[in-house]
Amino acid sequence: EPEVTQTPSHQVTQMGQEVILRCVPISNHLYFYWYRQILGQKVEFLVSFYNNEISEKSEIFDDQFSVERPDGSNFTLKIRSTKLEDSAMYFCASRQGQGDTGELFFGEGSRLTVL
Amino acid sequence: GQNIDQPTEMTATEGAIVQINCTYQTSGFNGLFWYQQHAGEAPTFLSYNVLDGLEEKGRFSSFLSRSKGYSYLLLKELQMKDSASYLCAGLDSNYQLIWGAGTKLIIKP
Repeated sequence: EPEVTQTPSHQVTQMGQEVILRCVPISNHLYFYWYRQILGQKVEFLVSFYNNEISEKSEIFDDQFSVERPDGSNFTLKIRSTKLEDSAMYFCASRQGQGDTGELFFGEGSRLTVL
Repeated sequence: GQNIDQPTEMTATEGAIVQINCTYQTSGFNGLFWYQQHAGEAPTFLSYNVLDGLEEKGRFSSFLSRSKGYSYLLLKELQMKDSASYLCAGLDSNYQLIWGAGTKLIIKP
């Protein structure tokens, strides 16, 4: 069964360092999303991406964040200069679009710990 | 504004039935999802409703009333492994998922 894959599963970094989280969405999916979940809190929307551009982003997704689909398979989230409060689980998701059920398929998540 | 409301925590007994309610307000509506999430793991898909009525899938059923902005997830024959958070999420007109805070379900023997 096709699945969304994320790497790394866990990354520990120092405050101020750049981090890139990688996602490989399901191959025929057209819409991609990043969500995050701070420990013990609700899942929060960060950004959605379609047709090689951002379609929506939340207030959380400030200038420190960027997304890219560099090669037609990977979908990356970059945090330029990490802060302590960026520590969270980051989930990538994709959906097929175009007449689908709207179901989002999630990756296993990348746990980011900023020290 | 957009909002999803669900109870913070519920407790039930192994073998019993539990109903987790969710009310939603979204800008437009493209469906209502229920996800299960065990601590430290990604949410896993349980159900999707876009039309009124009950969808049954094994021990889990989900109900939607669009006129009332209301959904529930019904879990039957509860097992210890059903202890998890259950997330209600509404899909708005832009296909944004608006998440509830989740209902932590505690199953007791």
